[in-house]
Amino acid sequence: EADIYQTPRYLVIGTGKKITLECSQTMGHDKMYWYQQDPGMELHLIHYSYGVNSTEKGDLSSESTVSRIRTEHFPLTLESARPSHTSQYLCASGRTGGFGYTFGSGTRLTVV
Amino acid sequence: KQEVTQIPAALSVPEGENLVLNCSFTDSAIYNLQWFRQDPGKGLTSLLLIQSSQREQTSGRLNASLDKSSGRSTLYIAASQPGDSATYLCAVRRVETSGSRLTFGEGTQLTVNP
Repeated sequence: EADIYQTPRYLVIGTGKKITLECSQTMGHDKMYWYQQDPGMELHLIHYSYGVNSTEKGDLSSESTVSRIRTEHFPLTLESARPSHTSQYLCASGRTGGFGYTFGSGTRLTVV
Repeated sequence: KQEVTQIPAALSVPEGENLVLNCSFTDSAIYNLQWFRQDPGKGLTSLLLIQSSQREQTSGRLNASLDKSSGRSTLYIAASQPGDSATYLCAVRRVETSGSRLTFGEGTQLTVNP
């Protein structure tokens, strides 16, 4: 079934560790996004991509980086995690010309 | 299967008018509902989030209400401005069991004329 997948679902790591949050979609969507959302708060766009080798920073400043080497894959990396990075990270994808977006289930990250 | 409908599909108003955007959903077993704004070529900007136990949320000139039992939400925009021109989307998240996706409506395209 065409879908969007995020792994891991939950992650607890120590300060200073490097981590990569995975996001993959099998819908052939050209646009992909990473959002950050704290509990009960609004989503904030941190990165987006309109296609392979295209990445841009979003509205919210973030110390993370992303890559888009393949259409279906849009991983997000934190080189050195800090407690301030504790949050939920949501990946989404969409098709150029369409309004609809599909979000993944999210990764809840806790940095201790 | 959850279905989300937004009415109207498009709306054009003169600056200064108060307006209401409507959202309805078929499955009332939701975890929360969010209203988003999308500007051309940009990603989504979240405007308001209403938990299933809440009736409304307010932010500045925006007020969103939720009637879960009837499957309806409204977004009220007071004293509209040309900068409010965008597409407004509502999305519901189903009950949080094993994780869930947001289900979006098709949006209301709003134009506020100076």
